[in-house]
Amino acid sequence: GQNIDQPTEMTATEGAIVQINCTYQTSGFNGLFWYQQHAGEAPTFLSYNVLDGLEEKGRFSSFLSRSKGYSYLLLKELQMKDSASYLCAVRDSNYQLIWGAGTKLIIKP
Amino acid sequence: NAGVMQNPRHLVRRRGQEARLRCSPVKGHSHVYWYRQLPEEGLKFMVYLQKENIIDESGMPKERFSAEFPKEGPSILRIQQVVRGDSAAYFCASSPGLLSYEQYFGPGTRLTVT
Repeated sequence: GQNIDQPTEMTATEGAIVQINCTYQTSGFNGLFWYQQHAGEAPTFLSYNVLDGLEEKGRFSSFLSRSKGYSYLLLKELQMKDSASYLCAVRDSNYQLIWGAGTKLIIKP
Repeated sequence: NAGVMQNPRHLVRRRGQEARLRCSPVKGHSHVYWYRQLPEEGLKFMVYLQKENIIDESGMPKERFSAEFPKEGPSILRIQQVVRGDSAAYFCASSPGLLSYEQYFGPGTRLTVT
């Protein structure tokens, strides 16, 4: 079967750094996505990785290792507005997105 | 430059009624996806459509659920004879093509079955 695993909840302090991990087992791989979803709102696109390595975009970076079936999202200089759920999704061999359950990130002052 | 629009935003139905959820994709996007999300859970793929075609409906229950994306007009997700377990947020997303790496999400329709 297809499986995406990420921690259910994480807590971090404003101004700090947090790393959210995602491991996956899917039938084929055509890219990994990270989305941010605030409570009661639609998911918004954060990053896309298809090759191994680190993609940096401002305060957010995403890393991929295809051989390990592993990715992480790194958030730096955390702000209160970063409190949200972070969804990891993998596009499989049929180009369908398989979604993890999301990691709820709580930022404390 | 409108994004994905969904209506209604909130829908309340009694058990046994029909629910009709509408999605207008980003202008020029011909690929539409429907997802269901239960509280505190991730998104569950339901169906993938292109104009006038259902490409993949593997995530959609065989009974009571149907979806369409006509040549003209919005995509419709239809749930007949709703039950309490259908209460969820239903999100629509669109993309310009299969290989496009981003899906643009609408604000969702929150269905409550009483």
